[in-house]
Amino acid sequence: KNQVEQSPQSLIILEGKNCTLQCNYTVSPFSNLRWYKQDTGRGPVSLTIMTFSENTKSNGRYTATLDADTKQSSLHITASQLSDSASYICVVSGIEGGSYIPTFGRGTSLIVHP
Amino acid sequence: DAGVIQSPRHEVTEMGQEVTLRCKPISGHDYLFWYRQTMMRGLELLIYFNNNVPIDDSGMPEDRFSAKMPNASFSTLKIQPSEPRDSAVYFCASSFLRWGTGELFFGEGSRLTVL
Repeated sequence: KNQVEQSPQSLIILEGKNCTLQCNYTVSPFSNLRWYKQDTGRGPVSLTIMTFSENTKSNGRYTATLDADTKQSSLHITASQLSDSASYICVVSGIEGGSYIPTFGRGTSLIVHP
Repeated sequence: DAGVIQSPRHEVTEMGQEVTLRCKPISGHDYLFWYRQTMMRGLELLIYFNNNVPIDDSGMPEDRFSAKMPNASFSTLKIQPSEPRDSAVYFCASSFLRWGTGELFFGEGSRLTVL
């Protein structure tokens, strides 16, 4: 069964600090991995996408890494801001019949304090 | 495009009542997903459609739940009769998945409270 596990479940940091969120998956065959950001009361929004051949991808202060051999990904947030307070969800897509069906992790809840 | 549009944004109802949630996907997308989100379980896939045809409804909790997609621009999720344990945020998402990169575009969600 395809699974996506995220850690930690929740994280509290001070504004300006860095943090790293982890994602382990067992989805096979692997197509791509996305990190979504979900603000309170809103729907998730995609931050980054990583395919099999990519190791690192940045989007502003967000940097995602992927190790396809160990089936692990991380999302690093640099110089955190109050607006980074949100849930971060790792989503891994496998291939079924030519289409990409996503499997969701349960998310990491990040709180950034001033 | 206005994005995925869901209605209502909030619904408060009493146990036993019928609840209908609505979704308008992004034009041109061929997949539509219904998710339920709770603190305990995170985002759970209920059902998804491809070109208006239900593909996998194994996530639908029980027969009280039903979903339809009569055309490419409209879908409904119905709960009848509703129970307090159905209280959650229900999200609709659409995507162009076929040979695409699989980004899901979510609506703002419908927060359901069953008393």
